[in-house]
Amino acid sequence: QKEVEQNSGPLSVPEGAIASLNCTYSDRGSQSFFWYRQYSGKSPELIMFIYSNGDKEDGRFTAQLNKASQYVSLLIRDSQPSDSATYLCAVSGGGADGLTFGKGTHLIIQP
Amino acid sequence: EPEVTQTPSHQVTQMGQEVILRCVPISNHLYFYWYRQILGQKVEFLVSFYNNEISEKSEIFDDQFSVERPDGSNFTLKIRSTKLEDSAMYFCASSGGKGDRGRRYTQYFGPGTRLTVL
Repeated sequence: QKEVEQNSGPLSVPEGAIASLNCTYSDRGSQSFFWYRQYSGKSPELIMFIYSNGDKEDGRFTAQLNKASQYVSLLIRDSQPSDSATYLCAVSGGGADGLTFGKGTHLIIQP
Repeated sequence: EPEVTQTPSHQVTQMGQEVILRCVPISNHLYFYWYRQILGQKVEFLVSFYNNEISEKSEIFDDQFSVERPDGSNFTLKIRSTKLEDSAMYFCASSGGKGDRGRRYTQYFGPGTRLTVL
């Protein structure tokens, strides 16, 4: 059974600070890792994907992957109130496999 | 920017009735998926579809579910005899466009259909 674990939060971060979101996964064969953002009542919206160990930066977002520790993280710099949402970590075996999602971390950016 | 679209946005049905949820994936995508999210719970994979056949399905996707690509644009999920526990948000996703590995296999989600079974 593939599992993806996230702290459900809520994680409260002051505006302008760095928000750090974490995720662990159980299947060592996982190859592809994704972060989605989900606003209440809406669909998951892709933020970033990462395949290789290390860091990947895209604007205010940095994804970090450590396959040896089976750990993925997302850093959000200069957090804005509009970043307040639930952040979903998703993992797949690669290619066109279905995604296994975590329950998500509810992030609140305090103005 | 191309998007996945889904209809209807909200479907209300009586227990035991059949429902068909419709999706139009992104036009040059090759892989299609259905997920569901019960209120307050995580997003769960149901099925993936490629080259006109199911390529992977989860334990949730039992005999009451079926998928079809009836034409070149639509992708449907049919629930044969709905149960109260089928009430959920159903998301369609697609992937397989052009580009590097990351872009090719990244799944883009539609807005969802909220299914309410009474």
